[in-house]
Amino acid sequence: EAQVTQNPRYLITVTGKKLTVTCSQNMNHEYMSWYRQDPGLGLRQIYYSMNVEVTDKGDVPEGYKVSRKEKRNFPLILESPSPNQTSLYFCASSSSRDGYTGELFFGEGSRLTVL
Amino acid sequence: GQNIDQPTEMTATEGAIVQINCTYQTSGFNGLFWYQQHAGEAPTFLSYNVLDGLEEKGRFSSFLSRSKGYSYLLLKELQMKDSASYLCAAVDSNYQLIWGAGTKLIIKP
Repeated sequence: EAQVTQNPRYLITVTGKKLTVTCSQNMNHEYMSWYRQDPGLGLRQIYYSMNVEVTDKGDVPEGYKVSRKEKRNFPLILESPSPNQTSLYFCASSSSRDGYTGELFFGEGSRLTVL
Repeated sequence: GQNIDQPTEMTATEGAIVQINCTYQTSGFNGLFWYQQHAGEAPTFLSYNVLDGLEEKGRFSSFLSRSKGYSYLLLKELQMKDSASYLCAAVDSNYQLIWGAGTKLIIKP
């Protein structure tokens, strides 16, 4: 089954404790992206990757890091989480032809609470 | 700046028709997506329009007017399961998605 898998789905952590949210897709998609979703603000892009070893900042990259060492994986790293990073996070992927992002396939989401 | 506007919330009756509007202002334009998102779940793809006109897909249709920077999603024969948020997203000249905040659709029996 074609899917995007995120882990963990739910996490409560404390300020400053490094954490990683993993994302893996099995569709051989070139394009992957991380979003955060907050009430009233819609989806905001954190980072995206057009292919292996290629990553770019989205609209709200501060406080986050990513890497794309393999095509299927795109982990999101919070080096020193703060309460304003409490949010619902989505990983998404799509095939990418001539720069067109294509239909996005989303993971189930990771609800993160930073105390 | 780039901007997407859509109503925050709409209410409709089961079996009726509802139209959700979306206006956009982007640097360049390479199409417009509609996604459906049930509460607590991931968004799922509904439609993509890049040319002017109406695209029909079962009970859902999506319309685009590039000259007016306007799109709408039309839902017919509403069912309770259509209660969800509907997200509009435009593709800009850099092929990046600009997202609206979403329209929460409430269906009443």
